Amino acid sequence: DTGVSQDPRHKITKRGQNVTFRCDPISEHNRLYWYRQTLGQGPEFLTYFQNEAQLEKSRLLSDRFSAERPKGSFSTLEIQRTEQGDSAMYLCASSTRGLTGYGYTFGSGTRLTVV
Amino acid sequence: GESVGLHLPTLSVQEGDNSIINCAYSNSASDYFIWYKQESGKGPQFIIDIRSNMDKRQGQRVTVLLNKTVKHLSLQIAATQPGDSAVYFCAEFNQAGTALIFGKGTTLSVSS
Repeated sequence: DTGVSQDPRHKITKRGQNVTFRCDPISEHNRLYWYRQTLGQGPEFLTYFQNEAQLEKSRLLSDRFSAERPKGSFSTLEIQRTEQGDSAMYLCASSTRGLTGYGYTFGSGTRLTVV
Repeated sequence: GESVGLHLPTLSVQEGDNSIINCAYSNSASDYFIWYKQESGKGPQFIIDIRSNMDKRQGQRVTVLLNKTVKHLSLQIAATQPGDSAVYFCAEFNQAGTALIFGKGTTLSVSS
């Protein structure tokens, strides 16, 4: 296991289309997080899973966004009816129990461009 | 409230110089801080962390200083190398401990 994997790395879509991103966390990590990062800004928290349960959602996660982690392993983030404002880097992270920066590992992200 | 931020958006240094990147925070109850490095096209990567019961912590070529009186922390990089060029963020966990709160970042450019 080499870390957190995200797919695809880049996605260009037309406004109004639906897109889905996938995240494969580090296998022994039971916590999984999604963040959004726009140009020049730090990552902003979207949602958090512990195993398969989605325990927290940010106000940034509008009704057009949905995230799942069906078996407590990989996760998907879907954006419906994409808007130009959705253009951003979507980062996934995973961690074990215990809150340390060292144990919190980010993937390389999916860069979404909505045209 | 919960917020972290950085003083300068960009910092340019020569190879071999020491770099200092600053961060201010607002929540006096914050007790744990993390520095991340983000290279172009990659996710944030952990550099070093510090708890509020410490004033200083050293790693390999990096030192983090915490001044709780003025709610300020800094990241010092010794003998800066071109490979240190990246965006640096300070961060802390939210009160629920479920999410990281990042500042806006400082872009470090190292010229040789």
